[in-house]
Amino acid sequence: DIQMTQSPSSLSASVGDRVTITCRASQSINNYLNWYQKKPGKAPNLLIYTASSLQSGVPSRFTGSGSGTYFTLTISSLQPEDFATYYCQQSYSTPLTFGGGTKVEIK
Amino acid sequence: QVQLQESGPGLVMPSGTLSLTCAVSGVSISSSNWWSWVRQPPGKGLEWIGEIYHSGNTNYNPSLKSRVTISIDKSKKQFSLKLSSVTAADTAVYYCARREFGVNFDYWGQGTLVTVSS
Repeated sequence: DIQMTQSPSSLSASVGDRVTITCRASQSINNYLNWYQKKPGKAPNLLIYTASSLQSGVPSRFTGSGSGTYFTLTISSLQPEDFATYYCQQSYSTPLTFGGGTKVEIK
Repeated sequence: QVQLQESGPGLVMPSGTLSLTCAVSGVSISSSNWWSWVRQPPGKGLEWIGEIYHSGNTNYNPSLKSRVTISIDKSKKQFSLKLSSVTAADTAVYYCARREFGVNFDYWGQGTLVTVSS
């Protein structure tokens, strides 16, 4: 199985801050990496697919980059609605696996 | 628009079988997508359970494979999950989701909490 490791597991930030979350894969997954936002009581919401493609309807302050084993999700200017937990997920091979999540909290 | 809706019992007895169904609307269930189940135990992260293609081909998480069956009913536009021999560790919110062209989960159901308890 491909292990996905996210860091940090949590962070505190203020509105307007630039935030970067990293995700590492235990082996190369090319660019088969997706990012989701998860809020309590809601289903995950796809933000970025294939490492850097912005899902339709997602604000442009979300950007993804990386390939191989190292990936990042950046929020350029944190907004109040962005406080949530973020998960990376590899779709290179089954079993599909998620990172452990990064909880973004209000400072 | 594409919609997925889970249904099934919210309480299952230990050692019993968890059964959920996901109704699909707004898109053909025979399109080039995989239909998946994902769960999230309370306070924990997301875990992929498995998926099915309209042909009936399936992929399962090896950690659950011995207990999981996913099936599809194209006439009813739905797919189903059965998880046997459940324990308290199977208590979770269960989501159904579409894996678009085998790449990403772009549409999700709202999720349903299943509690395993006597």
